[in-house]
Amino acid sequence: EAGVVQSPRYKIIEKKQPVAFWCNPISGHNTLYWYRQNLGQGPELLIRYENEEAVDDSQLPKDRFSAERLKGVDSTLKIQPAELGDSAVYLCASSFGRGSYEQYFGPGTRLTVT
Amino acid sequence: EDQVTQSPEALRLQEGESSSLNCSYTVSGLRGLFWYRQDPGKGPEFLFTLYSAGEEKEKERLKATITKKESFLHITAPKPEDSATYLCAVQKNTGFQKLVFGTGTRLLVSP
Repeated sequence: EAGVVQSPRYKIIEKKQPVAFWCNPISGHNTLYWYRQNLGQGPELLIRYENEEAVDDSQLPKDRFSAERLKGVDSTLKIQPAELGDSAVYLCASSFGRGSYEQYFGPGTRLTVT
Repeated sequence: EDQVTQSPEALRLQEGESSSLNCSYTVSGLRGLFWYRQDPGKGPEFLFTLYSAGEEKEKERLKATITKKESFLHITAPKPEDSATYLCAVQKNTGFQKLVFGTGTRLLVSP
């Protein structure tokens, strides 16, 4: 069974530029999560989707971050404009069913903002 | 506020030298406590879920236990391939049920 797929794996951009990350969850998983992981820290939730609906986006910096999950499968996370402090690994995870507690993570996208 | 504290930050073991990693947690209403393994450049890999005090889970050389305040990940006779960062996370039984992670323990097992 294929795991969570993310692209790109690495991205280097200059500050004030836009950037987008893509995630394809495990087939059949209707809940999708975006996390940000800073160096030496645990992942922190940015947004959670149940199908197409964003049910928890309280940690998403809405002035510059946006996300979408059209058709309830793939998802895109965008930052515009990027700031130096956005450098981190952006992880996507998915789980099966609303009550499922086991989240499966993708390999992440390492973003460097210069 | 929900809090997860892991110790030690880093641990260096010789191959075969058993030890334990600690995860102390404070959460109002625990739904589950999760252990993940994370290798450099990769996403966290799910290991165990523990739901209530007294529960134990085992997988190869790893055994996870839990009390009302903390969880332990016991590593028996570790091998170099067990080297990784081990993350602990808790999930509340109310609200949006998000995972709150600790900062992890970096484990290095030398041959």
